[in-house]
Amino acid sequence: GESVGLHLPTLSVQEGDNSIINCAYSNSASDYFIWYKQESGKGPQFIIDIRSNMDKRQGQRVTVLLNKTVKHLSLQIAATQPGDSAVYFCAENKGAGSARQLTFGSGTQLTVLP
Amino acid sequence: DVKVTQSSRYLVKRTGEKVFLECVQDMDHENMFWYRQDPGLGLRLIYFSYDVKMKEKGDIPEGYSVSREKKERFSLILESASTNQTSMYLCASSDPGGPLTDTQYFGPGTRLTVL
Repeated sequence: GESVGLHLPTLSVQEGDNSIINCAYSNSASDYFIWYKQESGKGPQFIIDIRSNMDKRQGQRVTVLLNKTVKHLSLQIAATQPGDSAVYFCAENKGAGSARQLTFGSGTQLTVLP
Repeated sequence: DVKVTQSSRYLVKRTGEKVFLECVQDMDHENMFWYRQDPGLGLRLIYFSYDVKMKEKGDIPEGYSVSREKKERFSLILESASTNQTSMYLCASSDPGGPLTDTQYFGPGTRLTVL
C-alpha cells in the first residue's frame, strides 16, 4: 500500500546549525510533495512544496530536495533557531481531479538545543 | 491569509454521546477535510468533501459521519462517541482550482476526550 514514512522520529540540533529532516515515499505516481510544521497545540502550517518535475526548491531558510529515483524527500533548515522546534511532516498527493488528497508521514520532532 | 477555524479547542464527552465538531473556512475553498491525529500514527483522513452536499470516505470513516450544507462549513459527527475516538481532530481546506492545488490549510485542532 501507499506509505509516507520518516527515517527518524526525533532530531536534536544545536542552535545555528543546519537541520536535515528526511522522508521516504512509496507511490511513484505522486507528483506533489509538501512539508508542514506543527508546533505544540497548533494545527500544521505549510512550509514549502515541490512538484515532481523539480528536484530542488528553496524558500526562506528552507530547502526541499526530491530524489525520485530512490523516492526520497528531505527538508533542510539553515541556521536552525529555537522557533524551529516543532514536529515536521512530509506529505504526498494521491487521487485525481477534485478528489485529490494528501497522505502524511508520522512526523519528526525537531528539538533545537541552546 | 487563509483562515480555518474549529468550534472548540478542547472537548470532553461521555461514551455514547453524539458529538459535533464544526469547521469553517473563509477562503471560498472547494475542498474540505477532516483528519484525526494520534501519536505515532500521523494524520489519518476520516472524510473529505469536494463540494457542497458531497462527501467521500477517507481511510478511517467508521464511527463518523459528516455534513456539508454550506461551502464554508464542514461538520464532523460522532453518532455515539467511544473511548477509542479520543484524539486530536484537524480540519483542513484546499482550493483545487487555484495555483496551489493540493496545498491544504489547517485549523488549530480540537482535542476530544471521550470518558
